[in-house]
Amino acid sequence: DAGITQSPRHKVTETGTPVTLRCHQTENHRYMYWYRQDPGHGLRLIHYSYGVKDTDKGEVSDGYSVSRSKTEDFLLTLESATSSQTSVYFCAISESATSGNNEQFFGPGTRLTVL
Amino acid sequence: AQSVTQPDIHITVSEGASLELRCNYSYGATPYLFWYVQSPGQGLQLLLKYFSGDTLVQGIKGFEAEFKRSQSSFNLRKPSVHWSDAAEYFCAVGPLNTGFQKLVFGTGTRLLVSP
Repeated sequence: DAGITQSPRHKVTETGTPVTLRCHQTENHRYMYWYRQDPGHGLRLIHYSYGVKDTDKGEVSDGYSVSRSKTEDFLLTLESATSSQTSVYFCAISESATSGNNEQFFGPGTRLTVL
Repeated sequence: AQSVTQPDIHITVSEGASLELRCNYSYGATPYLFWYVQSPGQGLQLLLKYFSGDTLVQGIKGFEAEFKRSQSSFNLRKPSVHWSDAAEYFCAVGPLNTGFQKLVFGTGTRLLVSP
């Protein structure tokens, strides 16, 4: 299994509070991604990173920000959590973007509940 | 825009019977295609991928998938299902030769295996 950990694995928070989720990899892969998974929607890309300090928005980025100060860590922040952000969040990594090694490997997920 | 359709939300198969999960994509060129499996409470695991070449792709756990360009399909098959195959299956499509891979996922098909 790819070396990807996510912390925390479970979190319950209240509306309006800031929340940071952490993804840590030991594979030295260049690309990292944050997805959310909701019933009926599959996985949707929130933000992604193509290098240290290089990030961009995905399809559902509103209300989220990210940072990547080291190759191994990719943080997802909800500045002011809302109930619509209750979801399961997955981090993924990939070695490449266009070659044959561009499959993504997923972390175990973080279940976030916003009350 | 590219999209992925998995028309079956749930499928129930008897143990030992054959399985086919459907996936159709919409994309302007030949994409990268993936099938992932997600067991309850777990992250996604890559089953197989198609980039080019032979249109019949073998994966892990006895799964295979066939790319049919004329039908824009990438259906997943297994000749004999085991109880441990009960999980959710996601088809995904990624861009080819665009400089960066972002995956678009289908909404998933939940497989139930009956004794």
